[in-house]
Amino acid sequence: NAGVTQTPKFQVLKTGQSMTLQCAQDMNHNSMYWYRQDPGMGLRLIYYSASEGTTDKGEVPNGYNVSRLNKREFSLRLESAAPSQTSVYFCASSSGSEQAFFGQGTRLTVV
Amino acid sequence: QKEVEQDPGPLSVPEGAIVSLNCTYSNSAFQYFMWYRQYSRKGPELLMYTYSSGNKEDGRFTAQVDKSSKYISLFIRDSQPSDSATYLCAMRTGGFKTIFGAGTRLFVKA
Repeated sequence: NAGVTQTPKFQVLKTGQSMTLQCAQDMNHNSMYWYRQDPGMGLRLIYYSASEGTTDKGEVPNGYNVSRLNKREFSLRLESAAPSQTSVYFCASSSGSEQAFFGQGTRLTVV
Repeated sequence: QKEVEQDPGPLSVPEGAIVSLNCTYSNSAFQYFMWYRQYSRKGPELLMYTYSSGNKEDGRFTAQVDKSSKYISLFIRDSQPSDSATYLCAMRTGGFKTIFGAGTRLFVKA
């Protein structure tokens, strides 16, 4: 029972490079989310997808784009990475308004 | 001012102690209140989920919501070293956006 799977687990980027964080869930959930977690800031919502085919901005969307590829997969793209995007990124999924299940996180460092 | 305030700790207690973790919030529209536990280098996992005011108990854990004071609490009875983790409060209105507190680090000493 995999739940929510994120890849990669770790990544180091140079300023200006691009990358895509992948997320897949096997719980048949409609809703998926991307959060970032920084010390003292808690989890902040970047983007979410309430259902397949829809995406919406969260609290901190600047510098990111997302794609809901299908019901299972929701990717997060950094087009031109900046040091301020150094963080731990979590993907989560839920069946609508119920509890969210989180992945193990991606630790991203931008140098 | 943040919508959700949570003391980051750390909070250190001896094994067997009763632990009280708290959050305050400013948005009176919040209806759903949650507590997540996060072990080091892991994703958060849901502990308690409460709708509106009142108490909810699950084993050694009790969640309280006081909407009149905009204050929520999580109590852990008979705390164990395995309870050592960061505890995140979270809350939302009826929509999809959940606001998280910064988390309180808890250490339970054997």
